[in-house]
Amino acid sequence: GQQLNQSPQSMFIQEGEDVSMNCTSSSIFNTWLWYKQDPGEGPVLLIALYKAGELTSNGRLTAQFGITRKDSFLNISASIPSDVGIYFCAGQGETSGSRLTFGEGTQLTVNP
Amino acid sequence: DGGITQSPKYLFRKEGQNVTLSCEQNLNHDAMYWYRQDPGQGLRLIYYSQIVNDFQKGDIAEGYSVSREKKESFPLTVTSAQKNPTAFYLCASSPTGLAGAFEQFFGPGTRLTVL
Repeated sequence: GQQLNQSPQSMFIQEGEDVSMNCTSSSIFNTWLWYKQDPGEGPVLLIALYKAGELTSNGRLTAQFGITRKDSFLNISASIPSDVGIYFCAGQGETSGSRLTFGEGTQLTVNP
Repeated sequence: DGGITQSPKYLFRKEGQNVTLSCEQNLNHDAMYWYRQDPGQGLRLIYYSQIVNDFQKGDIAEGYSVSREKKESFPLTVTSAQKNPTAFYLCASSPTGLAGAFEQFFGPGTRLTVL
């Protein structure tokens, strides 16, 4: 089946720093989604990408749909303590219907 | 307010018992999903349903069962056949046939502990 490699697994940064994380796939995806999960809660959708090369922002968050359609990137600028959580990428492939494939997540820790 | 509700938030069961987790949505979404999340891991798909009275197995369906009698509801039963049921269970829904059809929205989750 389709697999997503998400990196890094964890990040420890200082408040105010910028953050970058990415996901790569072994196959082409039509849709890339980025979620954030707080401890003990369900994931919340941050950004959805539908076209190769698309660059979309949501406040301090920016995500890009890779031109090869096999990767996506999420950047967080000027991090703040409430950015702490687990960030997941998810992709929808050409043959998967409405099913999503999720990455393993990036655990972000922000030190004040 | 539109959204997805899961109940209860915490659930304890004795080994050998079946237990049913509730998931309700008022978003008018056609598709609904159940995921399992273990500590430090990603989300694994248990079952999904794209329309009422129809559902498909996901990647880890063994030991679980579902029903989809109403558009709004997609309950998950964890049976005694599930060897390692202690986990965090997440329900999600998504629209179909529209722009944004693959955007899944999640409930708050149910943490199941087997004693």
